[in-house]
Amino acid sequence: AQSVTQLGSHVSVSEGALVLLRCNYSSSVPPYLFWYVQYPNQGLQLLLKYTSAATLVKGINGFEAEFKKSETSFHLTKPSAHMSDAAEYFCAVNIPGGAQKLVFGQGTRLTINP
Amino acid sequence: KAGVTQTPRYLIKTRGQQVTLSCSPISGHRSVSWYQQTPGQGLQFLFEYFSETQRNKGNFPGRFSGRQFSNSRSEMNVSTLELGDSALYLCATSDRPSTDTQYFGPGTRLTVL
Repeated sequence: AQSVTQLGSHVSVSEGALVLLRCNYSSSVPPYLFWYVQYPNQGLQLLLKYTSAATLVKGINGFEAEFKKSETSFHLTKPSAHMSDAAEYFCAVNIPGGAQKLVFGQGTRLTINP
Repeated sequence: KAGVTQTPRYLIKTRGQQVTLSCSPISGHRSVSWYQQTPGQGLQFLFEYFSETQRNKGNFPGRFSGRQFSNSRSEMNVSTLELGDSALYLCATSDRPSTDTQYFGPGTRLTVL
């Protein structure tokens, strides 16, 4: 079975500072990994995904994530935070060719301080 | 292309009632999955449908059921509502089950009083 752990339910950074949201996964087979963002009263929007190609994945809004198999991690970063980045972020895992069943972490709420 | 549509967006029910939620996928998408989002349990998988067949089911009681129609639209039903069923219900669609990306709708916010 797969699982995802997001370290830190709340992260606060200053505008212009580095954003780092941590995600560790557990999977018995090479997984697909995703980061989704959720703004208040909205659904989930895909930020980026890892599907066994390049380990450094670039997504929308300047975000990127690096798949590190040895550390079972898929941390999300952005060099310079913007006020519009304030939202909740979810890391998720799925199994290639398996069910369309994402397993999500508990989420990290990102706050941007002016 | 229009995105995933979920109706209604907000719903208030009382304990013991039943509710039906609808999800219309992106044109051409035939796989639909449902998720429940609550503050306590987070995002949890409910079930997955493809070609009118349920392919997978999460760990939810039998009060939660769903179906998919020939036009790929999907409905989920919750009978005998409990206070704990209050949640945001999200559907996600993809063109086929084996694809890697699902696209989410805005969700239906269900409040049970």
